[in-house]
Amino acid sequence: GDSVTQMEGPVTLSEEAFLTINCTYTATGYPSLFWYVQYPGEGLQLLLKATKADDKGSNKGFEATYRKETTSFHLEKGSVQVSDSAVYFCALIGNSGYSTLTFGKGTMLLVSP
Amino acid sequence: NAGVTQTPKFRVLKTGQSMTLLCAQDMNHEYMYWYRQDPGMGLRLIHYSVGEGTTAKGEVPDGYNVSRLKKQNFLLGLESAAPSQTSVYFCASSYEGLGSRNSPLHFGNGTRLTVT
Repeated sequence: GDSVTQMEGPVTLSEEAFLTINCTYTATGYPSLFWYVQYPGEGLQLLLKATKADDKGSNKGFEATYRKETTSFHLEKGSVQVSDSAVYFCALIGNSGYSTLTFGKGTMLLVSP
Repeated sequence: NAGVTQTPKFRVLKTGQSMTLLCAQDMNHEYMYWYRQDPGMGLRLIHYSVGEGTTAKGEVPDGYNVSRLKKQNFLLGLESAAPSQTSVYFCASSYEGLGSRNSPLHFGNGTRLTVT
């Protein structure tokens, strides 16, 4: 079945540092890929998405590129802020018309001033 | 516009007790979902609904029941709570449903349930 693997956290960075959170997936065909973010005490929110190979999703300074050849969708940001501290979830929807979202286990990001 | 509202926010149950978690959405979404979030496990789908009066099992449905009597509400019931059901429960809704790549899920803020 479909699965998503994320790097384990927490990831601890200083403000203005470069961020990478790795995400790889297993799925047949061409799934759509997503990053969701969960701020403390809140539900998840869609951060960005990519629906086909080589697409780049971007939002709020975050970017991720759909790499079919490496089955990856790594999240990056050039300069993190304290307010980016949250848990980040990589997710996919498979090709089946009845597919639901499959989530990774989440990666906590802690940014210090 | 409240989005997705979950009640209660917190609850402590004793083993064997029952309770119902309520989810309400005001976005006129057809599709609604219940997830549980456990440390190191990510989010796992419990049950979902593709419209008023419908329900379907997700990845981890055992020990839970659901009902969707009204389009805006999706109830999750625990008939006899067990410590293994200690978790944070999230409700979500979406305009389009299964397999949709263009309709993001809108999540509530969660219910933290502890079963002792």
